[in-house]
Amino acid sequence: GAVVSQHPSWVICKSGTSVKIECRSLDFQATTMFWYRQFPKQSLMLMATSNEGSKATYEQGVEKDKFLINHASLTLSTLTVTSAHPEDSSFYICSAGGRRQNTEAFFGQGTRLTVV
Amino acid sequence: LAKTTQPISMDSYEGQEVNITCSHNNIATNDYITWYQQFPSQGPRFIIQGYKTKVTNEVASLFIPADRKSSTLSLPRVSLSDTAVYYCLVGDGNNAGNMLTFGGGTRLMVKP
Repeated sequence: GAVVSQHPSWVICKSGTSVKIECRSLDFQATTMFWYRQFPKQSLMLMATSNEGSKATYEQGVEKDKFLINHASLTLSTLTVTSAHPEDSSFYICSAGGRRQNTEAFFGQGTRLTVV
Repeated sequence: LAKTTQPISMDSYEGQEVNITCSHNNIATNDYITWYQQFPSQGPRFIIQGYKTKVTNEVASLFIPADRKSSTLSLPRVSLSDTAVYYCLVGDGNNAGNMLTFGGGTRLMVKP
């Protein structure tokens, strides 16, 4: 099946710094990718929809200036957490669906972000 | 997007069949039903997808009644490695982007 690769798997950063997470679709082109955040023992919460060649669409309550999304190609979307704070520590997951309808979404392995 | 309701948790023993039911009363005509499995610190993994009646693959079966207001994921003869969180999602079949809204999921614990 299709593979979505996320990098890094985990990252520890100091408060106030920025962290970039990459999401790649390895064997298919993804015009749309999605970014989720998951806190311990909770479900995945959709943060934003990443659209290739255009601006991302953010869910209500998600700060677009804090969570910068870039979808420069059909195989790569990046999420940058700017000026990270401890409350941004979470598990970030991306997903992508192909161009075909009625197909399952493919998820990256997730990135564990810890801000100290 | 249709909202889903699942039991918060379930316990089972190795070798048993596990059935997890999901309610989605407001499912739309274009919506498909998809189940995902998630292990700790991993992204969700696709299990099975269906629109109506019954779908079976090598790991599970999905039963969908005629009114499509619920669905049941059936895992035959579970093992300890099936301990995970299982999510039921409904999504617009015309949405090639596959935006998904996750409910609470069901935390399945398989005991020896």
